[in-house]
Amino acid sequence: KAGVTQTPRYLIKTRGQQVTLSCSPISGHRSVSWYQQTPGQGLQFLFEYFSETQRNKGNFPGRFSGRQFSNSRSEMNVSTLELGDSALYLCASRYMTSSEETYFGPGTRLTVT
Amino acid sequence: QKEVEQNSGPLSVPEGAIASLNCTYSDRGSQSFFWYRQYSGKSPELIMFIYSNGDKEDGRFTAQLNKASQYVSLLIRDSQPSDSATYLCAVNVAGGYNKLIFGAGTRLAVHP
Repeated sequence: KAGVTQTPRYLIKTRGQQVTLSCSPISGHRSVSWYQQTPGQGLQFLFEYFSETQRNKGNFPGRFSGRQFSNSRSEMNVSTLELGDSALYLCASRYMTSSEETYFGPGTRLTVT
Repeated sequence: QKEVEQNSGPLSVPEGAIASLNCTYSDRGSQSFFWYRQYSGKSPELIMFIYSNGDKEDGRFTAQLNKASQYVSLLIRDSQPSDSATYLCAVNVAGGYNKLIFGAGTRLAVHP
């Protein structure tokens, strides 16, 4: 069974640009959540999607947005990039409920210059 | 008070010993609990998942959950140098659907 996949694995962008990251969950999993990991703040929750609906959102500015498609694949977008957005962005996949395992993808390393 | 607290370490143990990692959480309604292992530059890897009080064993790993004390731990038996990594405790908050709150992680160093 294939794991969670994320593309691209590495990105270098300039301040002010926007970026779109993609995540494909484990086959059959319907819940996708996104996290940001930085050395200073650790792992922080961005948002979660289930059946194309955002169910929960973390404390991030509106520049961070996402969506989920009918095949459960998800994308997140960051507009007007800032230097502080440099981080490892992780996608997590779960089948459905809170009493189930959550698996992470390999992440996208974003560097903003 | 942080929602999920872990000792940052490093926790240093000799090869073959038992490593004990601890985590406390503040939300009494938290529903499920996870231990992830993360090697430098890699993504978190699920080690253990527990949602009922008591112990859960998987190979060399045992997770222990005590909801009354709001405490979850991970024991690693027969520690190996390859276990050297950062161990992240995560809690699925009540009503949070698939939202995990992470501790800062404990660095474990297993020396030969």
